[in-house]
Amino acid sequence: GDSVTQMEGPVTLSEEAFLTINCTYTATGYPSLFWYVQYPGEGLQLLLKATKADDKGSNKGFEATYRKETTSFHLEKGSVQVSDSAVYFCALSVNTGGFKTIFGAGTRLFVKA
Amino acid sequence: NAGVTQTPKFQVLKTGQSMTLQCAQDMNHNSMYWYRQDPGMGLRLIYYSASEGTTDKGEVPNGYNVSRLNKREFSLRLESAAPSQTSVYFCASSERGQAVTQYFGPGTRLLVL
Repeated sequence: GDSVTQMEGPVTLSEEAFLTINCTYTATGYPSLFWYVQYPGEGLQLLLKATKADDKGSNKGFEATYRKETTSFHLEKGSVQVSDSAVYFCALSVNTGGFKTIFGAGTRLFVKA
Repeated sequence: NAGVTQTPKFQVLKTGQSMTLQCAQDMNHNSMYWYRQDPGMGLRLIYYSASEGTTDKGEVPNGYNVSRLNKREFSLRLESAAPSQTSVYFCASSERGQAVTQYFGPGTRLLVL
């Protein structure tokens, strides 16, 4: 079945460090891919998305490239800030007679000043 | 615009009690969703409504019922709460389609004793 696998957290980084959060997926058909972010005490909000192979989604300094050959959508940021501390969810959406979104387990990021 | 609103924010129930979680959106979206979020398991879909007048089961529907009252409102009912239903519940809405963004409410934290 369709699934999303993310690297386990928590991930702890110092401010200005480089961030990578790995995400791989399994899907029938041709999914759209998303990263959502959840700040403490809030609901999820879209960070970025990509809808076809080799598309790069970007927002707030975060980037992810849709890699069909490796079924991956890794999240990267060149220099993290304390305010980036949150839980990050990778997700895919497929059309299986209705549109279904599947979320990964989430990766918690702590950024230290 | 308020986006997606949920009530209550927090609730404590005893085993066997019933309650209804309310959700409303003001973005004129066709589709609405109920998820539960448990540590290490990401978000799991309970029920969804692709459009007004329709509802369908998601991944974990047992013990829950839903009502799509109108285009704006989508409620989730626990008829006889169990400790296994202790979780954080999120409502979301979106337009129909594969590459659409889901917009989430702030969540309801439910504790069943």
